[in-house]
Amino acid sequence: QQQVKQSPQSLIVQKGGISIINCAYENTAFDYFPWYQQFPGKGPALLIAIRPDVSEKKEGRFTISFNKSAKQFSLHIMDSQPGDSATYFCAASLIQGAQKLVFGQGTRLTINP
Amino acid sequence: DAEITQSPRHKITETGRQVTLACHQTWNHNNMFWYRQDLGHGLRLIHYSYGVQDTNKGEVSDGYSVSRSNTEDLPLTLESAASSQTSVYFCASSRDPSYNEQFFGPGTRLTVL
Repeated sequence: QQQVKQSPQSLIVQKGGISIINCAYENTAFDYFPWYQQFPGKGPALLIAIRPDVSEKKEGRFTISFNKSAKQFSLHIMDSQPGDSATYFCAASLIQGAQKLVFGQGTRLTINP
Repeated sequence: DAEITQSPRHKITETGRQVTLACHQTWNHNNMFWYRQDLGHGLRLIHYSYGVQDTNKGEVSDGYSVSRSNTEDLPLTLESAASSQTSVYFCASSRDPSYNEQFFGPGTRLTVL
């Protein structure tokens, strides 16, 4: 079964600190790696995504780092803010064809003021 | 504004009853998906559809069915609800395969007693 393993399950970071969430995947055919952000009572929403032809993608305070040889990718949140407190899911899929997302288990992030 | 809606938002039912969860999107997206979200499992794909009259089984399809009679709707039916199907259910949609972003609805919390 295609799996994406995410860690940690929960994370507490002080305001202004760096939050780091890690994911590892098994299927080397995956070529699309998004991160979704979910606030309580809401559906997940796309935060940032990366293709394996680049090793890093940055959008504002959010950065994805991608290591193809290790089959790992991570989300870095710089200058973490209380408003970043949410559950974060990594995922993987194929760009073409099935478009089925395989999600990690989720990380509940809490930013303390 | 275009959107994706789910109804009901909360549902309590009894074991053995048939339950249908509604999903409606106004983006005219061809692709629609149903996921269930459980603590420790992230989001798992139940069924998906790439267009009218097309339906496909996902990772956890046993006990669930879908039908796609138009572009806007993908109702999810639990044929005979079981306590193991207590979960939060999310519907999502996306454009054609070249666009991978999935847009999620607000979710339906289902409790099977």
